[in-house]
Amino acid sequence: QKEVEQNSGPLSVPEGAIASLNCTYSDRGSQSFFWYRQYSGKSPELIMSIYSNGDKEDGRFTAQLNKASQYVSLLIRDSQPSDSATYLCAAPGYSSASKIIFGSGTRLSIRP
Amino acid sequence: EAQVTQNPRYLITVTGKKLTVTCSQNMNHEYMSWYRQDPGLGLRQIYYSMNVEVTDKGDVPEGYKVSRKEKRNFPLILESPSPNQTSLYFCASSPSRYNYGYTFGSGTRLTVV
Repeated sequence: QKEVEQNSGPLSVPEGAIASLNCTYSDRGSQSFFWYRQYSGKSPELIMSIYSNGDKEDGRFTAQLNKASQYVSLLIRDSQPSDSATYLCAAPGYSSASKIIFGSGTRLSIRP
Repeated sequence: EAQVTQNPRYLITVTGKKLTVTCSQNMNHEYMSWYRQDPGLGLRQIYYSMNVEVTDKGDVPEGYKVSRKEKRNFPLILESPSPNQTSLYFCASSPSRYNYGYTFGSGTRLTVV
């Protein structure tokens, strides 16, 4: 089982709707999780981090963490065409806390 | 401007011809890392460095070398490139080994023919 798993998509969402991106992880001891956004041909950029159970909101973005279910999600409200990108979920490595493990990413497409 | 600078952005080379991809950061970060990104496989770590003169293998180190002689620079060396090293490469840095908010360079698209 991969340490961090995501549905590769593509996930197509109409403009203005809520986009929901999901990620599961295998290490029950993981304490922190990260969402990176990567536009096509560009480098990943950190958009959200979450360290405790529950929700964390930042503008139109909400990260949700459920440690019991080993599940982390990213909600994007009022989706815009500029949100079309690949979203990478990441968590510290099980074998080495000196690095983070990235999921393979979910491609999100916002349709006008 | 705080940034990670990679060069070159694009590189086409032939099998066996040694090459170096440079990476430099201006944020005084201790931790630096190299990743390769391939379709369907995501980002995989090649090597990382927790500080000057401290480097270690990541998940896919075969065929690569690195060095960290100065804090700001972390070059990736391919001594004898092969076609299976054709990929998109990213350098990343963070303030410390346990700070996972990485800043990535712009990437280097390498093609080995």
